[in-house]
Amino acid sequence: QVQLQESGPGLVKPSETLSLTCTVSGGSITSNSAYWGWIRQSPGKGLDWIGSRFYSGSTYHNPSLKSRVTISVDTSKNQFSLKLLSVTAADTAVYYCARLTFSITNNNRFFDLWGRGTLVSVSS
Amino acid sequence: QSVLTQPPSVSAAPGQKVTISCSGSSSNIGNNYVSWYQQLPGAAPKLLIYGNNKRPSGTPDRFSGSKSGTSATLDITGLQTGDEADYYCGTWDYSLSVPWVFGGGTKLTVL
Repeated sequence: QVQLQESGPGLVKPSETLSLTCTVSGGSITSNSAYWGWIRQSPGKGLDWIGSRFYSGSTYHNPSLKSRVTISVDTSKNQFSLKLLSVTAADTAVYYCARLTFSITNNNRFFDLWGRGTLVSVSS
Repeated sequence: QSVLTQPPSVSAAPGQKVTISCSGSSSNIGNNYVSWYQQLPGAAPKLLIYGNNKRPSGTPDRFSGSKSGTSATLDITGLQTGDEADYYCGTWDYSLSVPWVFGGGTKLTVL
């Protein structure tokens, strides 16, 4: 079955760039019914959607982070990535990669596949 | 503050039924399908309900979802201690101020 696995540094210094990669295994990232994206969860808090991207380019972002976020897709490696610029302590969170599956015929969208999550701490 | 409003916590005894509400607006729940996610302690969220009321394989039929107008509900019957978790609703939002929105989450305690 399709699985997602996050990877990247667990510690980032303030003002630097957070970079994470999600590897898709058991399926293709070029699916015509999926967006690939990121969700984070600050310690003790709820889920915060960061953004999602279709493999060929269409992207949605959370406006609160849009100016600092880049989500890219590498179809040759079956991976997608997150870059978050100029991080602060407020960006400390568990970051999940997730697949947003959508129906072409109606408005049905849902996150049906999640990675295990990776904790990223922002500290000097 | 979340766009979708959920009660912070609910509780019930084993074997009982609990209902978790999720309130939104016409730009989100009112015109889109709702999904629900279960997050067990220390684990990643997992899809529990999609399309308002559909269960993916693996979700017991003790869990059911419904939607009416701009609100959605998750019902859990025959509560088990293993159901203790955080539950989140989520949906698309056509206002595009934030295209995807989650509720603030509800912590279920099985007494």
